[in-house]
Amino acid sequence: DTGVSQDPRHKITKRGQNVTFRCDPISEHNRLYWYRQTLGQGPEFLTYFQNEAQLEKSRLLSDRFSAERPKGSFSTLEIQRTEQGDSAMYLCASSLDDPGRGETQYFGPGTRLLVL
Amino acid sequence: AQTVTQSQPEMSVQEAETVTLSCTYDTSENNYYLFWYKQPPSRQMILVIRQEAYKQQNATENRFSVNFQKAAKSFSLKISDSQLGDTAMYFCALNAGNNRKLIWGLGTSLAVNP
Repeated sequence: DTGVSQDPRHKITKRGQNVTFRCDPISEHNRLYWYRQTLGQGPEFLTYFQNEAQLEKSRLLSDRFSAERPKGSFSTLEIQRTEQGDSAMYLCASSLDDPGRGETQYFGPGTRLLVL
Repeated sequence: AQTVTQSQPEMSVQEAETVTLSCTYDTSENNYYLFWYKQPPSRQMILVIRQEAYKQQNATENRFSVNFQKAAKSFSLKISDSQLGDTAMYFCALNAGNNRKLIWGLGTSLAVNP
């Protein structure tokens, strides 16, 4: 068990550029979550997948944000036409849905995005 | 609506002493789970402890234990024998009913002083 990994760990981009982040969950986990965290705040939910299906999207997720999880393995989060307000830490978490026992989300190290 | 409240933005404790972090929550669901996560400065969010609402027994993980008061909707974290490595932001989180996302408190910044 190597844990949840995210790539890149840091990204600096200019306003208007597109960026893509990758998350590799713990191998047997069927759920994958994306959160955004700004300095001094708790994480805010963005979206989640069960296997390859995207089951919920936050209203925070504007049309510029898109996430995929092809084949139910790794996931990508793309932000188009970045804005300075997109600067944040983007966290990925994965879990195993265990009916009757609930689930526990395990987090990756995050991708810190800075939009100049 | 489901909410999580952490009323202590900052706390400090001397090394080897005990500290308790407070958390209250609100949900109308009967089936829910509560979590404490730790986030050291510039480091990864780590699970500290988890509590199932249907269990009366308070969860314990080594030096970390919770005081789960279901009627009062209170879920405090006690850290015994505090260590310098416990310095971190501590978040309380709720997962309730069919709502898959975690609902988070604003966090408590804990400093362990030598």
